[in-house]
Amino acid sequence: AIRMTQSPSSFSASTGDRVTITCRATQDISSYLAWYQQKPGKAPKLLIYAASTLQSGVPSRFSGSGSGTDFTLTISCLQSEDFATYYCQQYYTYPRTFGQGTKVEIK
Amino acid sequence: EVQLVESGGGLVEPGGSLRLSCAASGFTFNTYTMNWVRQAPGKGLEWVSSICPTSTYIYYADSVKGRFTISRDNPKNSLYLQINNLRAEDTAVYYCAREIPAAMTGFDFWGQGTLVTVSS
Repeated sequence: AIRMTQSPSSFSASTGDRVTITCRATQDISSYLAWYQQKPGKAPKLLIYAASTLQSGVPSRFSGSGSGTDFTLTISCLQSEDFATYYCQQYYTYPRTFGQGTKVEIK
Repeated sequence: EVQLVESGGGLVEPGGSLRLSCAASGFTFNTYTMNWVRQAPGKGLEWVSSICPTSTYIYYADSVKGRFTISRDNPKNSLYLQINNLRAEDTAVYYCAREIPAAMTGFDFWGQGTLVTVSS
């Protein structure tokens, strides 16, 4: 199975900060990579698919990049509603696999 | 409005069984691959199983293979997960999520989840 590793696992940031989360796959997944946001007690929400395509309705401060094995999620100007846990997921092959998550906390 | 509503969770003893359901509405159910994803308390997301629109292709995580069975009833716009021989480590919120087949779009809509607790 393809293993997805996110870094960091958690960090603290302030509103207005530019933040970057990385995700690495153990093998080439082309651009079959999605990013999800999850808030406590809620279902995950798709933010980005195909590594860099913004899902409809998602604010433009979110962006994704990368291909192959290395990917990043960037939030250009952190807002209060962005404090959450973020997951990457590969859907290149089965089993589908998620990263372990990155929790973004308020500094 | 797209809706996915899970049901069927609850408290069950180890070795027991449950059947989870996911009722879909607001979209053409029989054109989507459907998935189950679970999340143990305080843990990350774990993909469990997928079923293509015609039920021809079905996939399972190794951790559930042989104990879980995914199925769908397209005329009823419903997805199911039969869970047998439950273990403590199956305790989790179970989400259903849709996916456009053969497209690079990820899981674009999720239900709110149903909690399964395995305990004696």
